[in-house]
Amino acid sequence: DGGITQSPKYLFRKEGQNVTLSCEQNLNHDAMYWYRQDPGQGLRLIYYSQIVNDFQKGDIAEGYSVSREKKESFPLTVTSAQKNPTAFYLCASRRQDANSNQPQHFGDGTRLSIL
Amino acid sequence: DAKTTQPPSMDCAEGRAANLPCNHSTISGNEYVYWYRQIHSQGPQYIIHGLKNNETNEMASLIITEDRKSSTLILPHATLRDTAVYYCIVRPRISGGGNKLTFGTGTQLKVEL
Repeated sequence: DGGITQSPKYLFRKEGQNVTLSCEQNLNHDAMYWYRQDPGQGLRLIYYSQIVNDFQKGDIAEGYSVSREKKESFPLTVTSAQKNPTAFYLCASRRQDANSNQPQHFGDGTRLSIL
Repeated sequence: DAKTTQPPSMDCAEGRAANLPCNHSTISGNEYVYWYRQIHSQGPQYIIHGLKNNETNEMASLIITEDRKSSTLILPHATLRDTAVYYCIVRPRISGGGNKLTFGTGTQLKVEL
């Protein structure tokens, strides 16, 4: 089945620890995204990548880091510098073409809780 | 990006058509209308998108008014599994943030027996 896999579904970490969230896609999409969702709110963009070995900060990048060493993988690290990391994290990917109107497709998210 | 306005909640009887409105009166000529839905504790699911023509796929139909200032998402035969928050998003064909999507608070659709 083609799709976007986020793991784990639930993640607990102690305050002050870095934690890495996994996102893998087998859709052969060029662009990948990380969003954060807080209760009752819309999604906010953390980082995005439009090509391997390149990525850009989104609206709320502070306290997060990413890498894009392979087309299919875009892991997100939540560092100890992120002041309020407890949230629902969503990864998305999108096929890029000349029309630029292709939709983003999302994984099922990782719910991170800091103890 | 153009702002969108959606009712916060709607109810629909199972088996009936669910018509979800979205107002985007400041939309510009190169902006597409996208619809997503999010079932509790899951990632958003893409439904449909369009520019100015009406669109239909296996999930839904999208009706965009001639002046493009509003649109309606139609689920022709709603089921209990269609209960979700539905988001209407307007995005330029080429936009900053790698073509990021800006989600508002959407419409909570509740389908009941």
